[in-house]
Amino acid sequence: AQSVTQLDSQVPVFEEAPVELRCNYSSSVSVYLFWYVQYPNQGLQLLLKYLSGSTLVESINGFEAEFNKSQTSFHLRKPSVHISDTAEYFCAVSEGGAQKLVFGQGTRLTINP
Amino acid sequence: EPEVTQTPSHQVTQMGQEVILHCVPISNHLYFYWYRQILGQKVEFLVSFYNNEISEKSEIFDDQFSVERPDGSNFTLKIRSTKLEDSAMYFCARKPSGANVLTFGAGSRLTVL
Repeated sequence: AQSVTQLDSQVPVFEEAPVELRCNYSSSVSVYLFWYVQYPNQGLQLLLKYLSGSTLVESINGFEAEFNKSQTSFHLRKPSVHISDTAEYFCAVSEGGAQKLVFGQGTRLTINP
Repeated sequence: EPEVTQTPSHQVTQMGQEVILHCVPISNHLYFYWYRQILGQKVEFLVSFYNNEISEKSEIFDDQFSVERPDGSNFTLKIRSTKLEDSAMYFCARKPSGANVLTFGAGSRLTVL
């Protein structure tokens, strides 16, 4: 069965500093990988996804994630964070052909000025 | 206009009462989902629904839960007799056939007293 582990429940960083949110998954088959973001008092929004092709995927607001099959990881990075990036970030996986997502525990990113 | 609209945004109920949460996805011929997020915990899959029937459900989705799409657009989650541990944020999601990305609503917060 597939599972997702986000090792850090909270990550505090200073504004304009780089950040990495870690995500590891376990699955015996090919997977699709996703990062969702939940801003305060809002729902889940898709940030970026890996379905196939290039292992490095980017979002429109400067985040990127790299699919590493050998390490079964899909870490999320941003070289310089902004106050507006404060949110909870969820890594999720679906096994190829499956119709549901399995989520990690979430990582709360807090940006300090 | 949001792709998935959920009502109510917040509902407070007494233990043992029935609750119905509503979701209006805009398009037809889709997969629909209910997920829940207990405060401070991960987002958990409850049930998926396709072609007017349940396609998959988790062990959380016991006999107290039911879903239906009574009028072809409104997608509901019913909890027959609420328990304290049902307090959570409930998210509805949709996915077009053949696509791999779920779009979530803003959620309905249920508080059981």
